[in-house]
Amino acid sequence: EVQLVQSGAEVKKPGESLKISCQGSGYSFSTYWIGWVRQMPGKGLEWMGVIYPGDSDTRYGPSFQGQVTISADKSISTAYLQWSSLKASDTAMYFCARPRGVGASIDPFDIWGQGTMVTVSS
Amino acid sequence: DNQMTQSPSSLSASVGDRVTITCRASQAISNYLNWYQQKTGNAPNLLIYGASSLQSGVPSRFSGSGSGTDFTLTISSLQPEDSASYYCQQSHTTPPTFGQGTKVEIK
Repeated sequence: EVQLVQSGAEVKKPGESLKISCQGSGYSFSTYWIGWVRQMPGKGLEWMGVIYPGDSDTRYGPSFQGQVTISADKSISTAYLQWSSLKASDTAMYFCARPRGVGASIDPFDIWGQGTMVTVSS
Repeated sequence: DNQMTQSPSSLSASVGDRVTITCRASQAISNYLNWYQQKTGNAPNLLIYGASSLQSGVPSRFSGSGSGTDFTLTISSLQPEDSASYYCQQSHTTPPTFGQGTKVEIK
């Protein structure tokens, strides 16, 4: 079974750093892009960016460039989303997701992780 | 960014009703339009890709149409389990933007 399993919920203070993870299984992790989507409380979906684990080629949405870092370790089939200094406005659910097509960076996402809730509060 | 605008923002309909949600792109996207369903507390689920192709496992009461800038998601006979939010997304250019969502409630 193809699946993405994300790390658990996090509660952090403003200014702290954070790295959340997404582990893929049941498919060739290195040959599919993997992306991150933000959903702020009660709001819609926002495409943050994608990474190709095979060579770490990374694309960011304009709103997220410089705000987060997407990385991957293909040896353990895991992608990461990290912040160096969290803000209260980073409070959201974060989903990782895999596009339908092999090697297609902006294909629709057909496999999703369960989501990681990040709460940033003093 | 290519702005995606959905209408209505919410609707309430009865079981068995035919429901239509529209999505308009600010720039032409050919047929690079996808639809997702998201139930409360869950990850989104891909329903339709390429404007009209039904994702595997999705009930046939869901259908999509359109090309260019105007698209439609139709639920032919609304079921109780269709209570959810629905999002369109363009995958023509980076970033692949989402619409703001349509919340469907059952009367």
